[in-house]
Amino acid sequence: EAQVTQNPRYLITVTGKKLTVTCSQNMNHEYMSWYRQDPGLGLRQIYYSMNVEVTDKGDVPEGYKVSRKEKRNFPLILESPSPNQTSLYFCASSRISGANVLTFGAGSRLTVL
Amino acid sequence: AQKVTQAQTEISVVEKEDVTLDCVYETRDTTYYLFWYKQPPSGELVFLIRRNSFDEQNEISGRYSWNFQKSTSSFNFTITASQVVDSAVYFCALSEAGPSGYALNFGKGTSLLVTP
Repeated sequence: EAQVTQNPRYLITVTGKKLTVTCSQNMNHEYMSWYRQDPGLGLRQIYYSMNVEVTDKGDVPEGYKVSRKEKRNFPLILESPSPNQTSLYFCASSRISGANVLTFGAGSRLTVL
Repeated sequence: AQKVTQAQTEISVVEKEDVTLDCVYETRDTTYYLFWYKQPPSGELVFLIRRNSFDEQNEISGRYSWNFQKSTSSFNFTITASQVVDSAVYFCALSEAGPSGYALNFGKGTSLLVTP
């Protein structure tokens, strides 16, 4: 089944404790992206990647890192999480093209205490 | 500047009513794409429709219809005879070429509640 898999789905952590949210897709998509969803703010892009070793900042990259060492994986790294990073995170992928439909993961709900 | 505006934050209707969700976008590109996604209470994001800037034909899919008007930069979504299962957050999105490829900009979403 074609899908984007994110883990963990739920996580409660404390300020400053590094964490990684993994994202993997099995559709051979070139494009991958991370979004965060907050009430009243919709979906905001954190980082995106056009292909292996090519990443770029989205609208809200502060406090996050990403890497794209393999085509299928695009982990989101929070080096020193803070409470304002408490959010619902979505990973998505698609072929490279403005016309292409994003396939989203199921979401990861992160709480930073 | 916000590229996609969904002015309706929340809408509440009674089952069987028709409801229209508004979406206004802003772009200087001649080639762009518009999307609607649905997020039901379970949380996943589900693709509903894609439209390119050269195709202004309205589309109907069952109880769903979309009205694309370039003259007013709008891409509105109508649900006819709404049902409780239509309760969800609906996002409109715009894809346009940027310096690093296509960027997808989402509106802030409209939360639709359909009550029996």
